[in-house]
This record gives sequence, C-alpha cells and structure tokens, in this order.
Amino acid sequence: QKEVEQDPGPLSVPEGAIVSLNCTYSNSAFQYFMWYRQYSRKGPELLMYTYSSGNKEDGRFTAQVDKSSKYISLFIRDSQPSDSATYLCATIKAAGNKLTFGGGTRVLVKP
Amino acid sequence: DTGVSQDPRHKITKRGQNVTFRCDPISEHNRLYWYRQTLGQGPEFLTYFQNEAQLEKSRLLSDRFSAERPKGSFSTLEIQRTEQGDSAMYLCASTPLAGNTYNEQFFGPGTRLTVL
Repeated sequence: QKEVEQDPGPLSVPEGAIVSLNCTYSNSAFQYFMWYRQYSRKGPELLMYTYSSGNKEDGRFTAQVDKSSKYISLFIRDSQPSDSATYLCATIKAAGNKLTFGGGTRVLVKP
Repeated sequence: DTGVSQDPRHKITKRGQNVTFRCDPISEHNRLYWYRQTLGQGPEFLTYFQNEAQLEKSRLLSDRFSAERPKGSFSTLEIQRTEQGDSAMYLCASTPLAGNTYNEQFFGPGTRLTVL
C-alpha cells in the first residue's frame, strides 16, 4: 500500500465549476502537505502548502488538511481551461528531506 | 532564467546502453534531489545531496544507478546498462538548506528517458 493515495481521475468539469481533489495518507509523521500542479511534459510546480491541520486559501485555491482522518483536499473555484493539468498531493515530515507524492489526478476543464 | 535546469530534455537509447543526465540547481541551493516519475504516477524519491555529500538513497536506486554532485553545484545521474523499465521522467529539484521549517523544492523540467 502506498503512503499517499490519490484518485487518478480523469476529472472533467465545465468551466466555472468547483474542482474538488483529495488524497489520503497513512504516516502520522507527515507534517507538511503540498499541492503541486504539473502540465504535460513539465516539472511539478508548487501551488500551496499547509502545515499540520487547517485551511489555507490563495486566490481561487483552498487547501484543507484533516490530520485526524489523514485527509488532504484541494478546491479550485471558478475553474478555467488553463487549470487543466495533473494535480499532485505531496507530504513531508518535519525537517524531512524527501517528498512523498500521490499518484496525481488529471483534471480537464472544458470551455 | 534562474530556475532549475536539466539536460537533455529527452533521451532515447537502446537497452544496454549507458546514459547520463545533468541537473543545474538554483544558485546557492544547498540541497539537490532526484526523483523518478513513470507514466500516470507521481514522482518517487531516488536520492538527495546536501552540498557534495549524498545523504540518502532510495531502494529504487539499484546498483546500475549512480549520482554525483562533485563540487556541490550541478549533479549528474548515470544509469548503466539501461533496461526498458528505466523509461521514465527523471526530475531534479533543489532547495535551500532546511531547518525545522518546510523549504519549497523547486523542480526542473525533467529529462524524459525512453529505452527501446
């Protein structure tokens, strides 16, 4: 079993809809939780990160972490065709060195 | 461009050949990481350096793989006697020296390896 599980999708939504993505993880030592966006044949780029449990908002993006249930979420409001990409959740231990990624969810926003 | 750069971007080789990839991290980033990403999967950690010292290697890094960072700047990843299962995107990332807080890992564009 992988340490971080993520539904591979694809997830297809109409432009303007809310995109809801989630991951589950198994290791309680994970303290930081990240969401990366990866366009085809490009490297991942960090969207936002959260420390421990709680919510974080950045523009159209909201990240949520519930450590009690080991559940990570990302919401994208007012989705745009340019949001079409693969979204990767990732975690890392406090003072850790390596990121542990989920498998990624492919998102397609249709005009 | 001051981001992480990787070369080549795409490498096609025949099974059994050796290949070498290069990564140039962001200037003054002490830590450099290598990850491997297969199609439809998330990146998986391979190894990381703090300056020139290789501090951790994944079980994924078989004896055919070797990584170096000789002067604490650029790094190379060599795969000897390539196998078709080595076909993947090889990603490099760098970050400043981490304390007890999270430091973002900045990823390069990757080198896509195809082993025929």
